[in-house]
Amino acid sequence: DQQVKQNSPSLSVQEGRISILNCDYTNSMFDYFLWYKKYPAEGPTFLISISSIKDKNEDGRFTVFLNKSAKHLSLHIVPSQPGDSAVYFCAANGRGLSGNTPLVFGKGTRLSVIA
Amino acid sequence: NAGVTQTPKFQVLKTGQSMTLQCAQDMNHEYMSWYRQDPGMGLRLIHYSVGAGITDQGEVPNGYNVSRSTTEDFPLRLLSAAPSQTSVYFCASSDRDRKSSYEQYFGPGTRLTVT
Repeated sequence: DQQVKQNSPSLSVQEGRISILNCDYTNSMFDYFLWYKKYPAEGPTFLISISSIKDKNEDGRFTVFLNKSAKHLSLHIVPSQPGDSAVYFCAANGRGLSGNTPLVFGKGTRLSVIA
Repeated sequence: NAGVTQTPKFQVLKTGQSMTLQCAQDMNHEYMSWYRQDPGMGLRLIHYSVGAGITDQGEVPNGYNVSRSTTEDFPLRLLSAAPSQTSVYFCASSDRDRKSSYEQYFGPGTRLTVT
């Protein structure tokens, strides 16, 4: 059973507009959520994160919103740029008895920003 | 710092052959993990380690072995390669301490083809 779901495999957005990537989760024990960006032939790179005690975290053009009651988070990119074209993975984890539990990833959303 | 390094970058195996994918990190991270990425499947956890001498299974451990004799290295062994193990493999590391951001640093990946 998928604990982290990204229901949109792909998204196309015009340059300069807002990109909104969505993610849903089922495990109430998750207390930290992360977004990773992946270019072809490279490893994923960390983009932005949010703790479950917050509902918003902003870093430049990137903002992550968390709605705990809906078990939903979203990544907003404003304004979108062609260099943002990549696959975006949502991930989550929590605190286990022996430290951080492994990250659980969604299947990813491929964002294409069209000039 | 080199970060997380993986060797080889590419590998072709015949069914039944064995091999070891190498992973090393120079950030003194206690937590290391192996993921595989397949089209439409996202990143799936194979094995992980919370410190030297301690390993545990992830979501898809069958056909793989790991060991962690040092903090720096976390090799992944394919015992008898099968075509279903054709994939891109990523190694990642992170600080185990909860005060960190849970962020994992990924290597560049190993693209494995089993014929």
